Amino acid sequence: AIQMTQSPSSLSASVGDRVTITCRASQGISNYLAWFQQIPGKAPKLLIYAASSLQGGVPSRFSGSGSGTDFTLTISSLQPEDFATYYCLQDYNYPRTFGQGTKVEIK
Amino acid sequence: EVQLLEAGGGLVQPGGSLRLSCAASGFTFSSYAMSWVRQAPGKGLEWVSSISGSGGNAYSADSVKGRFTISRDNSKNTLYLQMKSLRAEDTAIYYCTLETTTIFPIDYWGQGTLVAVSS
Repeated sequence: AIQMTQSPSSLSASVGDRVTITCRASQGISNYLAWFQQIPGKAPKLLIYAASSLQGGVPSRFSGSGSGTDFTLTISSLQPEDFATYYCLQDYNYPRTFGQGTKVEIK
Repeated sequence: EVQLLEAGGGLVQPGGSLRLSCAASGFTFSSYAMSWVRQAPGKGLEWVSSISGSGGNAYSADSVKGRFTISRDNSKNTLYLQMKSLRAEDTAIYYCTLETTTIFPIDYWGQGTLVAVSS
């Protein structure tokens, strides 16, 4: 199974900060990567698919990049509603695998 | 409007069985692959199982292989997860979801149903 390693596991940031989360695949997955946001008590929400495509309705401050094994989710200017946990997911093959998550907390 | 409504969760003893169901509406159910994703209390997301639109192809995580079976009834627009030989580590909220892929970036999730395995 492909292992997805996210870093950091948590971070503290202030409103307006630029935040970067990385996800590394244990083998090449081309651009078969998605990013989800999860607010406590809620179902996950798709932010980015195909590594860099913004899902409809998602604010443009979210962006994704990468291909192969290394991927990045960037929030250009953190907003209060962005404090949540973020997960990457590979859909290159089965079994699907999520990263372990990155919790973004208020500094 | 797409709706996914899970049912069947509850408290079960270790070694027991449970069947989850997910009633779907608002889309052509047989056209879409479906998945189960779970989340243990305070933990991250774990993909459990997926099934193709026709039901002809199914995949499961190693952690549940041989114990959980995903299936679907397209005539009833319903997805199932039959769980047996349940363990404490299967305790989680189980989400039914249309499978998001790079080619089909759809994003619909049920509200989740809690499965608690405890004596």
